[in-house]
Amino acid sequence: KNQVEQSPQSLIILEGKNCTLQCNYTVSPFSNLRWYKQDTGRGPVSLTIMTFSENTKSNGRYTATLDADTKQSSLHITASQLSDSASYICVVSDTGTASKLTFGTGTRLQVTL
Amino acid sequence: DGGITQSPKYLFRKEGQNVTLSCEQNLNHDAMYWYRQDPGQGLRLIYYSQIVNDFQKGDIAEGYSVSREKKESFPLTVTSAQKNPTAFYLCASSMDGRSNQPQHFGDGTRLSIL
Repeated sequence: KNQVEQSPQSLIILEGKNCTLQCNYTVSPFSNLRWYKQDTGRGPVSLTIMTFSENTKSNGRYTATLDADTKQSSLHITASQLSDSASYICVVSDTGTASKLTFGTGTRLQVTL
Repeated sequence: DGGITQSPKYLFRKEGQNVTLSCEQNLNHDAMYWYRQDPGQGLRLIYYSQIVNDFQKGDIAEGYSVSREKKESFPLTVTSAQKNPTAFYLCASSMDGRSNQPQHFGDGTRLSIL
């Protein structure tokens, strides 16, 4: 069974600090991996999408990495801001179709003063 | 602005009642999806549609129904057969059904039981 596990479940950091969120997956075959940001009570917003051949992709202060050999991905947030407080969801596709996505349960990040 | 609009934001269902959640997009996307989000769980696919007048069951379709009569609209009906409907429902769309296309989500409808 395809699975996506994220860690930690929740995280509290001070504004201005960096943090790294982890995603391990057992999805096979592998097509692509994406990270989403979901504010409370809102829909997820896409941050990055990476295919097998990509090992890093940035979107502003967000940098995602992918190690397809170990089936691990990380999302690094630089110089955190209060607006980064949200849930971050890792999603993996095993085929070329969007109907076969496996969603992680997310990491809840809180950025405080 | 292009995007996906879900309504209502909050919805309450009585026992034995069917309720319909609205999803409209003006992104000219072919593919549309309905997901259910429960606390502590990843999003689960209810139904999806890759083209007008065609839709497919997802992983948890029992107790739900959909229609796709127009490209812009993909309403979801939660029927009385769905015994545990309390959840956050998210509608999404993508340019086509390929997974390398980003999905754009609406802001959800929270359904509760009275």
